[in-house]
Amino acid sequence: GDSVTQMEGPVTLSEEAFLTINCTYTATGYPSLFWYVQYPGEGLQLLLKATKADDKGSNKGFEATYRKETTSFHLEKGSVQVSDSAVYFCALITTGGGNKLTFGTGTQLKVEL
Amino acid sequence: IAGITQAPTSQILAAGRRMTLRCTQDMRHNAMYWYRQDLGLGLRLIHYSNTAGTTGKGEVPDGYSVSRANTDDFPLTLASAVPSQTSVYFCASSDSGATYNEQFFGPGTRLTVL
Repeated sequence: GDSVTQMEGPVTLSEEAFLTINCTYTATGYPSLFWYVQYPGEGLQLLLKATKADDKGSNKGFEATYRKETTSFHLEKGSVQVSDSAVYFCALITTGGGNKLTFGTGTQLKVEL
Repeated sequence: IAGITQAPTSQILAAGRRMTLRCTQDMRHNAMYWYRQDLGLGLRLIHYSNTAGTTGKGEVPDGYSVSRANTDDFPLTLASAVPSQTSVYFCASSDSGATYNEQFFGPGTRLTVL
């Protein structure tokens, strides 16, 4: 079956540091890949997406590139801010899996001054 | 309203009691979902509905039931709550005709079963 593996957190960084959150996947079909973000006390929001190999999703300074050869979709940001503190979820949908998202376990990011 | 609303925001419930979590969306999305979020486990799909009048089981359906009488509403019922159902519950919706099926999430319901 489909699965998503994320690096465990929490990840604690100083403001303006470089961020990488690793995400790898296994999928029976050809997946679309997503990063969702959950701010404290809120629901999940779509951060970025990529629907085919070598696509780069980007939003709010975050980027992730769909790497089919390594089955990865790592999230990066060049300079994090305190306001980026949240839980980040990697997820996928496969064409054979209907509309159902498969999520990773989430990675908590804490950014300190 | 715009988006997805869930009610109640939080609830403490005695074991054995029946509880319905409500979810309403105004985006005319045909697909809706219920997830539970537990620490270290991420989000797990409980039930889903691809269109009004149909429902399906997700990864963890036991102890839960859903109905989809119309496009906008997708209530989740716990017939006889147990402590292991203590969790945060999120409702989501998507336009299944969209290319990448982005799901939009509600704010969640925090449920504690004692």
